[in-house]
Order: sequence, then C-alpha cells, then structure tokens
Amino acid sequence: GENVEQHPSTLSVQEGDSAVIKCTYSDSASNYFPWYKQELGKGPQLIIDIRSNVGEKKDQRIAVTLNKTAKHFSLHITETQPEDSAVYFCAASKDSGGFKTIFGAGTRLFVKA
Amino acid sequence: KAGVTQTPRYLIKTRGQQVTLSCSPISGHRSVSWYQQTPGQGLQFLFEYFSETQRNKGNFPGRFSGRQFSNSRSEMNVSTLELGDSALYLCASSVDGYGYTFGSGTRLTVV
Repeated sequence: GENVEQHPSTLSVQEGDSAVIKCTYSDSASNYFPWYKQELGKGPQLIIDIRSNVGEKKDQRIAVTLNKTAKHFSLHITETQPEDSAVYFCAASKDSGGFKTIFGAGTRLFVKA
Repeated sequence: KAGVTQTPRYLIKTRGQQVTLSCSPISGHRSVSWYQQTPGQGLQFLFEYFSETQRNKGNFPGRFSGRQFSNSRSEMNVSTLELGDSALYLCASSVDGYGYTFGSGTRLTVV
C-alpha cells in the first residue's frame, strides 16, 4: 500500500547549523509533496511544497529537493534558529480525481542555542 | 483572513457513544480533508470532500463518516466510540487540494 518513510525521527543541531530530513514514498503516481511544521498544541503548518515537475524549490532558509526516479525527497533548513524547533512532517499526495495525502511519521527537530 | 475553525476544541465521550466534529474552512476553499493524529500511528488520512462529494477515503472502519455542506463546512461523525478512537482530529482546507491549511484540531478522549 501507499507509504511514506521519514528519517531521522529525532534531530538535534546547534543554532546556525543546517538540518536535513529525508523521505521516501512508495506510490510512483504521487505528484505533490508538501512539508509541514507542527508546534505543540497547534495543527500542522505548511512551510514549503514541491510538485513532481520540479526538482528543487527554495524559500529563504528552507529548500526541498525531489528525486522522482529514486522516489526520495528532502527538506533542508539552513542557519537554524531556536524557533525552528518543532515536529516536521513530509507528505506525498496525488491528484487522482481527489486528493489522498500520506504523511511520514515526523521528525522532532531540536535547535540548541 | 480567518483560518480553519474546528469545534469543539476538546471533547470527552464514553465508549459506545457517538460524536460529531465540525470544521469551517477558509472562505473560498472547496476541498476539506480530515486526519486522525495519535502518538502511535501519526497522521492518518480519513477522507477528502470537494463540493459536497467525498472524493477519497482512508482505511478506517465504517464507524467513521463525514459530509460537506453547500457552504463547504464539513462534519465528521464517529459512531460506537472505542477507547482507541481517542486522538486529535484535524481538519484542513484548500482551494483545490494543494497547499492545505490545517485547523488546531479537536482532541477527543474516549473513557
């Protein structure tokens, strides 16, 4: 069945360092890959997304890369700050007359000041 | 603009009861999706509605159902509640299925 694997489950970095989170999806028909940040007591917040016809997308300190052949996609956060500490989820979705979004298990990111 | 509003925020129910959760999407958003979030299973897709039609459904038993009204507001219902249904239920809305905005969720506790 459809599955998204996300690694690592926990990531601890020093403020100013980079953080990388990797995901692999199983459904080759997936064509949309959003990333969400969830802080305690809140719903997930979309931080960046990429569609299957694009290999890389960047928004300030955040970038996402997609390798369709390997079915891998990654989130890169540069110059991390303490407020980046949260749980990050990758997801894979496909538009097949309706959307079904499959989420990874999440990565808890700690940024130490 | 107003975000996605979910009511109630917290709910305690007894096993065997039923519950209805409500979601008001962002104005202009016609796609509404529901998710169940638990520490053990993570975020799991329940269903997606677009213009009052259920377009997709996750792997949940028939006790979980939903609907969407003509104003795009959505409700989900869980009948014959079980202890394992305790979770955070999240609703998200989008114009077309891309770039969902999530609400803060309804935390359901079944005792």
